[in-house]
Amino acid sequence: KAGVTQTPRYLIKTRGQQVTLSCSPISGHRSVSWYQQTPGQGLQFLFEYFSETQRNKGNFPGRFSGRQFSNSRSEMNVSTLELGDSALYLCASSLSLGSVIGNEQFFGPGTRLTVL
Amino acid sequence: AQSVAQPEDQVNVAEGNPLTVKCTYSVSGNPYLFWYVQYPNRGLQFLLKYITGDNLVKGSYGFEAEFNKSQTSFHLKKPSALVSDSALYFCAVRDSNNNDMRFGAGTRLTVKP
Repeated sequence: KAGVTQTPRYLIKTRGQQVTLSCSPISGHRSVSWYQQTPGQGLQFLFEYFSETQRNKGNFPGRFSGRQFSNSRSEMNVSTLELGDSALYLCASSLSLGSVIGNEQFFGPGTRLTVL
Repeated sequence: AQSVAQPEDQVNVAEGNPLTVKCTYSVSGNPYLFWYVQYPNRGLQFLLKYITGDNLVKGSYGFEAEFNKSQTSFHLKKPSALVSDSALYFCAVRDSNNNDMRFGAGTRLTVKP
């Protein structure tokens, strides 16, 4: 069974631009979560999607948004990029919502975003 | 909201010695506890989880963790460390009352030959 895939793996943008990252979950998984990983802040939860609906959201500004498609693939968009948005963005998939017992997440390799 | 703490930024052990990576948590409901490992330039890999039942949980690569409710801890252990265990380890917790998954800051484990 293929793992979680994320595209692109690396991205360089300039301040003010916007970016869209893509995540394909493991086949059969319906929940997709996004995280931002930086050396200073560690792993921070962005949001979780299940059945095309955002079910949970972390403490990030509205410039960060996402969506999920009917095939469970998810995209994350960041508008008006700032230098501080430079990070590794990780996508994780799980069978169902996190509140379901035993529901561990499986992570993709991440997209490394650099904002210049 | 739940939280998780990994009090050590760095743990150094010699190959063949036992290792412990510490984790404490805070939740309002029942905790679902996880350990993940991150190797350089790779995503996080699931190691083990505690949901309910036996307090000692065995996971991948010979790792185990012990859930201690009174101390709200979930320390990761391995009887005999390998150089290949060197990586960044994350403890995570979900609260049974919500969907949030919160991760600790991570502990860098270095195993020296």
